[in-house]
Amino acid sequence: DIQMTQSPSSLSASVGDRVTITCRASQGINNCLAWFQQKPGKAPKILIYGASRLQSGVPSKFTGSGSGTDFTLTISSLQPEDFATYYCQQYIGYPLTFGGGTKVEI
Amino acid sequence: EVQLVESGGGLVQPGGSLRLSCAASGFTFSDHYMDWVRQAPGKGLDWVGRTRNKANSYTTEYAASVKGRFSISRDYSHNSLYLQMDSLKTEDTAVYYCVRSQLVDGNRWYFDLWGRGTLVTVSS
Repeated sequence: DIQMTQSPSSLSASVGDRVTITCRASQGINNCLAWFQQKPGKAPKILIYGASRLQSGVPSKFTGSGSGTDFTLTISSLQPEDFATYYCQQYIGYPLTFGGGTKVEI
Repeated sequence: EVQLVESGGGLVQPGGSLRLSCAASGFTFSDHYMDWVRQAPGKGLDWVGRTRNKANSYTTEYAASVKGRFSISRDYSHNSLYLQMDSLKTEDTAVYYCVRSQLVDGNRWYFDLWGRGTLVTVSS
């Protein structure tokens, strides 16, 4: 199985900050990586797929990068609605696996 | 409107069975891979299983933790996805999400649409 490791598991930030979350795969996954945002009590929402491609309708303040085993999600200028938990997920092989999540708190 | 709506969750005893349903609307159901993903209370996301699209004969894949106990199927005429869960364990307690997958790069499928989820509680 491909293990996905996110860091940090949580972080505190302020409105207007730039935040970067990292995700590492235990083996190469090319660019088969997606990022999701989840708010409390809600379903996850796709932000990025293909490591760097912005899902339609998602604001451009979300940026994904990386390939192979190391990936990042950057949120520029945090707004109150961005405080949530973020997950990475690989979709190159079965079982499909998620990172443990990064909780972005005020 | 493009949406997925799950139903069928509830309280069940260990060893029991439950069938979850997911009603899909607003898109061509047979074109997409469909998945179930679960989330235990206060925990992260955990993929349960997948059914491929019509072009790939609706074949299935499962996580090791549920293989042999859970089964995914579709009702083409009603645009519905099902998750039959047997021999349930307390560790199966979770919110279960129905998820649509979208084709990218010719042969990869990523999760692009999630339902709101339905809670399954396995407890005596």
